[in-house]
Amino acid sequence: RKEVEQDPGPFNVPEGATVAFNCTYSNSASQSFFWYRQDCRKEPKLLMSVYSSGNEDGRFTAQLNRASQYISLLIRDSKLSDSATYLCVVRYGSSNTGKLIFGQGTTLQVKP
Amino acid sequence: NAGVMQNPRHLVRRRGQEARLRCSPMKGHSHVYWYRQLPEEGLKFMVYLQKENIIDESGMPKERFSAEFPKEGPSILRIQQVVRGDSAAYFCASSPLGNEKLFFGSGTQLSVL
Repeated sequence: RKEVEQDPGPFNVPEGATVAFNCTYSNSASQSFFWYRQDCRKEPKLLMSVYSSGNEDGRFTAQLNRASQYISLLIRDSKLSDSATYLCVVRYGSSNTGKLIFGQGTTLQVKP
Repeated sequence: NAGVMQNPRHLVRRRGQEARLRCSPMKGHSHVYWYRQLPEEGLKFMVYLQKENIIDESGMPKERFSAEFPKEGPSILRIQQVVRGDSAAYFCASSPLGNEKLFFGSGTQLSVL
C-alpha cells in the first residue's frame, strides 16, 4: 500500500463547479497534513495546511478524518486558474522532523 | 529574501558522467529536502538533511547517489555514473527549524543522453 494515495484523475469540471479530492495515508501516527499545488510540473507551492477541526481559506476547504486516515480538499466556484495538479502531503510519523511524503497528485482541468 | 535557489536549471550528461545539483535554501532555513519527479509521476522523497547532518535518507538509491548539506555553502545532490533512468526533475525544498511548510526551488531538469 502506498504511503499517500490519491486518485490521479483527471477531473474535468466547468467553471463555477464544486469539486472534491480525496487522499488516504497509511501511517496512523502522522500528525501533519498539507495540500500543495503544482502547475505544469513547476515547483509545488503550499496551498493550505489541514487541521483536525477542518479549515477554510476562501473557496478552499480542507478536512481531516484521523479514524479513517483520510484527507479531503473541496474547491467551490472553480476558476480556470484552479487548473493544476493538487498534491496531498503527509508528514511521516509523529515527530516534527519526519519526512514529508507526497501523493502522486490529482489533476484538475476547469473548462470555460 | 530570496527564495530557494537551485542550479543549474537544466543539466545534460552522458551516461557514465557525474551530475552535481546545487540547492541554496532560503535565508534562515536549516532543513533541506530533495525530491525526484519522473515524467508522469509524483514527487518521490529522496533525502532530508540538516546542516552537516543527514536526518533521513530512506528514499536514496543505495548506489551512485549521495547528498550533503555542509556548514557553509549549498546542499549538493551528487549522482555518479548517471544512467538514462536518472533523467528527471530534481526539486529541492527548505524549511526553518520546527516549521512544517516547505518552500521549493524551481528544480533541476537532468537529461541523460
